Amino acid sequence: AQTVTQSQPEMSVQEAETVTLSCTYDTSENNYYLFWYKQPPSRQMILVIRQEAYKQQNATENRFSVNFQKAAKSFSLKISDSQLGDTAMYFCAQYGNKLVFGAGTILRVKS
Amino acid sequence: KAGVTQTPRYLIKTRGQQVTLSCSPISGHRSVSWYQQTPGQGLQFLFEYFSETQRNKGNFPGRFSGRQFSNSRSEMNVSTLELGDSALYLCASSLAGSGRKTDTQYFGPGTRLTVL
Repeated sequence: AQTVTQSQPEMSVQEAETVTLSCTYDTSENNYYLFWYKQPPSRQMILVIRQEAYKQQNATENRFSVNFQKAAKSFSLKISDSQLGDTAMYFCAQYGNKLVFGAGTILRVKS
Repeated sequence: KAGVTQTPRYLIKTRGQQVTLSCSPISGHRSVSWYQQTPGQGLQFLFEYFSETQRNKGNFPGRFSGRQFSNSRSEMNVSTLELGDSALYLCASSLAGSGRKTDTQYFGPGTRLTVL
């Protein structure tokens, strides 16, 4: 069975600082993909970044990067130079044969 | 290109009624997946449709059903509504869905269902 665990229900960070959101997962699949999605308040969910499990290199997208530790089944998201617009619920998700989400982390960026 | 649209955006129903939600995917996308989002259970996968066929199903009772039309639009139906069905129902479209896992899923704004 696929499971995704986000152990931080809420986090806050000062504008321009760096924050890391944690995620661990479990799966019996060999071929899977990992994602971070962002859901701003009352707005649509959008993809932030994705990682193919067979790739050792960590994915990066501008200010967003991941630390993918396959053996430890860990997939954390680092947001650099945090901006007010980064305030949102962040979901870690794994795609084996379906997309399974973690419980989410509410991130608040403070000015 | 227009995004994923969902109608209606808000619904209020009473227990025992049934409801149909609609999702129009991005043009060219053939896979549509449905998710239920609640504060207690988080985001849970309902089912995925691809080329008018249900390809994958989550752990929901048979009261939850869906279908997909030849133009890839999808509907989700919930019969005999219960209070616990109150949730935000999200649909997401992608080019090939679980047939190509790297595909990005694009989410719609959701339908907020309240069951009284």
